[in-house]
Amino acid sequence: KNEVEQSPQNLTAQEGEFITINCSYSVGISALHWLQQHPGGGIVSLFMLSSGKKKHGRLIATINIQEKHSSLHITASHPRDSAVYICAVTGTASKLTFGTGTRLQVTL
Amino acid sequence: NAGVTQTPKFRILKIGQSMTLQCTQDMNHNYMYWYRQDPGMGLKLIYYSVGAGITDKGEVPNGYNVSRSTTEDFPLRLELAAPSQTSVYFCASSYSARFPGSRYNSPLHFGNGTRLTVT
Repeated sequence: KNEVEQSPQNLTAQEGEFITINCSYSVGISALHWLQQHPGGGIVSLFMLSSGKKKHGRLIATINIQEKHSSLHITASHPRDSAVYICAVTGTASKLTFGTGTRLQVTL
Repeated sequence: NAGVTQTPKFRILKIGQSMTLQCTQDMNHNYMYWYRQDPGMGLKLIYYSVGAGITDKGEVPNGYNVSRSTTEDFPLRLELAAPSQTSVYFCASSYSARFPGSRYNSPLHFGNGTRLTVT
């Protein structure tokens, strides 16, 4: 079992839909990261969380430390949100572990 | 600030050749990471460092070596290139105050990647 599990692996949505991507982890962590990678592109950090909830524009990230679970929400999705979204955790030994990513396609 | 700079952007190696992938950051980050991304696959951690003089293995360290003699630089060395090392390599850095939730902790910053082909 991977230390970081994401679901779903693939997601197709229509423009305007509310999207949720989930991340579960099995190790103790000091931080959880949500990353975005566009096709053929680099990787951008969206959020870093150690507790609670953060919001940036149409993106919201939450984390439940007790349940070892985080969600990334996209409100009013747009085709430019099409990308791979990656959950990563910094373990208590400072090691960084990645989930396998969620490929999101938003259509008109 | 330049952020995280990786060189080269592309490289083709023959089997058995060696090379060093360079990574430099100018943000005074203490944590640096190397990982690889195979086509259609997720990211795998190769090596990481929590500060100058300290390095540790990640998930897939075989065939690679690293050093961290300065805060800014974290080069990745391939000694005997093999086709299995064909991949895109990313370097990343962050600052951690080693206290979860500290306002001094920074998000991850990534280089633009190095596309390596070994034939």
